[in-house]
Amino acid sequence: DAMVIQNPRYQVTQFGKPVTLSCSQTLNHNVMYWYQQKSSQAPKLLFHYYDKDFNNEADTPDNFQSRRPNTSFCFLDIRSPGLGDAAMYLCATSRESREDPRYEQYFGPGTRLTVT
Amino acid sequence: LAKTTQPISMDSYEGQEVNITCSHNNIATNDYITWYQQFPSQGPRFIIQGYKTKVTNEVASLFIPADRKSSTLSLPRVSLSDTAVYYCLVGDMGLTGGGNKLTFGTGTQLKVEL
Repeated sequence: DAMVIQNPRYQVTQFGKPVTLSCSQTLNHNVMYWYQQKSSQAPKLLFHYYDKDFNNEADTPDNFQSRRPNTSFCFLDIRSPGLGDAAMYLCATSRESREDPRYEQYFGPGTRLTVT
Repeated sequence: LAKTTQPISMDSYEGQEVNITCSHNNIATNDYITWYQQFPSQGPRFIIQGYKTKVTNEVASLFIPADRKSSTLSLPRVSLSDTAVYYCLVGDMGLTGGGNKLTFGTGTQLKVEL
């Protein structure tokens, strides 16, 4: 089945130690998103790629960066994780088309990041 | 993006119909209304989307009045497995070609009991 895959599901990193989370998709969607979801809160969009174009949210800290080497893969890099960055990180994809203006985002299962 | 307001929590019993109402007074002409469901430790899952009147799929119905300032998600005959957080989102049709950004509100925690 076509899907959004996130690895690893659980990641533990040390304070200040760079960490990379990965997302892959078999849906061939042109848009990929990264969300941060802290405990008991709603998901918050960090940034997204529309094809190769990177779109950063205004309030996303510089500590968070992303790479999309090809259509299928997208990475979230946290350069110097702090205790406040502990959260679930969700990757999502969508197919945007002017012909079909409706949109649906497909979410992966998430990676739960713990910072020690 | 239009702001949404929905109840923080709702309780129900198995077999009952559950209606969750969302207010979106500032909805724009191009905005669609979309509902997502999220179980603990999982990503949100698309439930239903509509623009006006009524939309029904195998999971739920979505009722949207003529002024579109609110919408109601209806879940028929809920079961324990419907216990989840339900998010109402309002967004444009993405004609700008920049990707469809979702702004999640607080969501409604639905708890279904026996």
